Formats: sequence, C-alpha cells, structure tokens
Amino acid sequence: AQKVTQAQTEISVVEKEDVTLDCVYETRDTTYYLFWYKQPPSGELVFLIRRNSFDEQNEISGRYSWNFQKSTSSFNFTITASQVVDSAVYFCALSVPDSGSARQLTFGSGTQLTVLP
Amino acid sequence: NAGVTQTPKFQVLKTGQSMTLQCAQDMNHNSMYWYRQDPGMGLRLIYYSASEGTTDKGEVPNGYNVSRLNKREFSLRLESAAPSQTSVYFCASSGRDRVSGANVLTFGAGSRLTVL
Repeated sequence: AQKVTQAQTEISVVEKEDVTLDCVYETRDTTYYLFWYKQPPSGELVFLIRRNSFDEQNEISGRYSWNFQKSTSSFNFTITASQVVDSAVYFCALSVPDSGSARQLTFGSGTQLTVLP
Repeated sequence: NAGVTQTPKFQVLKTGQSMTLQCAQDMNHNSMYWYRQDPGMGLRLIYYSASEGTTDKGEVPNGYNVSRLNKREFSLRLESAAPSQTSVYFCASSGRDRVSGANVLTFGAGSRLTVL
C-alpha cells in the first residue's frame, strides 16, 4: 500500500519569504511517480509537476523548485520569493503503475499555505 | 478547451435522497476517476474506470455506484445519501497534460455536496 505524508498542515509566511513544503512517501514499488498539485481558493486542482522514481534530478521552474531524495523518501517543494497568489492548498501525491493502466493517485492530506502581504 | 466538466457544482440533499454527479472529458482519455475531498484527509479515490466498459472500486466505494457511459462520460450515483457523504467530489481523467506533455490526472472543478 502507498502512503503520502504532509506533516505541515498550515504554513504562513510573509510575502517574499522562501517556503518549503514537505512530502514524505511510502511505497514498496521500485517504479513510481510523484506529483504536486495546487488547489487555490477557487477550488480547482492544478497540476504542477510529475517526477518518476528513476529521475532524482532536482527541478526548477521559475520560483518553484522540487527536491526529490529517494534515500529519505521525500519530495519537497520550495517556493522562492513567495507571493500572495501562491496562497493555496498544496497536495503531494504518489502513483504506481498497475496492469489496468489506470493511474490512481494516493494523496497526502495537503498543506495550506498562506502568504501575507 | 473544456478538459474535464462536472455537474452540478453545488447540491443540497436530504438524507435518503438520490442523485447523480455527471462528468465528461473531451481529451480522449481512457481512464477516469471519482475522488472525494474532506478536510484534513486529502483526496480519496471512490471508483475508477481504466477504460470504457470497466469500473473498479477505490479506497472508499461504499454508498456509491458508477457508470462509464462511454469513453467521454463517467457518472457517480448516490442511491441513498447520508450526511457522511457531505464532501467535495472531483472527477478526473488521466492522459497527457496539455501544457507539459506529462501523463497526469486532469481534474474537474469539483462538486460541493451537502447532505442534511
């Protein structure tokens, strides 16, 4: 069984601060995929990134960066120079391939990020 | 450019009433899913359909039924609603993300259901 833990329930930062959202996962599969989704106050879920288990390279996209470490089963997400528009709930998720080719995601409980002006 | 469309966006039911949440995707994806989101619990999978004509139970299927009507549409039915089914429901389909090209789940906007 898969499990994703986001220990930080809520984080508040002041605009322009850097913030890191933690994600720890558990799986016995050697092939798996990790995701981050953003859920702004409007409620929709927006895909941010997908990593596969064979690619441990860190990734940077603008102010967003992700640190994937298999040794600690973590996939942390850092926002640099946070902005008010970054305020949202962020979900980390994990999927493993199955024979039906359906991609089931196991979600963490989410981290509510509030960026104060 | 609709992606995943689900209706209704809001619904209030009385205990024991039935209703169907509709979902349609226009991305030609094979797999579709229904999740529910509850505070502090993330999203939990109710049912999924790997392809047209097949459906399977997820983590929390009790009290729900689904129908994969065709490749585009996947509906979720509550036969006898209970207060414990008060939640936000998300439909999703999996395939290539239109922007990144990665194979990911694309979600609908959500349906907020309240059972009194």
